Amino acid sequence: DQQVKQNSPSLSVQEGRISILNCDYTNSMFDYFLWYKKYPAEGPTFLISISSIKDKNEDGRFTVFLNKSAKHLSLHIVPSQPGDSAVYFCAASDRRGSQGAQKLVFGQGTRLTINP
Amino acid sequence: GAVVSQHPSWVICKSGTSVKIECRSLDFQATTMFWYRQFPKQSLMLMATSNEGSKATYEQGVEKDKFLINHASLTLSTLTVTSAHPEDSSFYICSASRAFYEQYFGPGTRLTVT
Repeated sequence: DQQVKQNSPSLSVQEGRISILNCDYTNSMFDYFLWYKKYPAEGPTFLISISSIKDKNEDGRFTVFLNKSAKHLSLHIVPSQPGDSAVYFCAASDRRGSQGAQKLVFGQGTRLTINP
Repeated sequence: GAVVSQHPSWVICKSGTSVKIECRSLDFQATTMFWYRQFPKQSLMLMATSNEGSKATYEQGVEKDKFLINHASLTLSTLTVTSAHPEDSSFYICSASRAFYEQYFGPGTRLTVT
């Protein structure tokens, strides 16, 4: 049962344009969402997160949008740069009623390629 | 800050042998460490959650006797794959947490069992 889904395994975008990566989730108990970037043979690095009380969070070139009614979030990268080429994972957690670090449920990842 | 290391970065072992993978938080104390497994072109699957000084909590379907986890200190957790078989070949990644939401990932360990 895939609770977090990234339905696009790959995405190719021209340098300078906007990259939009999508993620859907099924568990309505998730209340915190994160995006990670991963290069081959390396661990994921944190990019940006959003709490379910918000619908948008922005950090430089990266913006995450959350649509709770649709159980959908997206990551926008603008302008896209060649160094953004990597695999992007969305992740979700349910923080309510728990203490300490929370388990993350990851999507399958989307490979983003930025073309010069 | 918040650097997590893993050792070794890659290992090849023969079927039937055991392999130990170390995960260290280098510049912070990690109250919780997580172990993940990633198959090629697939998602990171959580294997277990490890809290310092207590037994690890394994996810459903993960054999605790095969994947031994020890979290002896606030900066070190180890994963031992016992009696490894070719199907255990995978990319193993740990993460360490020092606060409620932050998880910092190690670079991963590529295990190949021949």
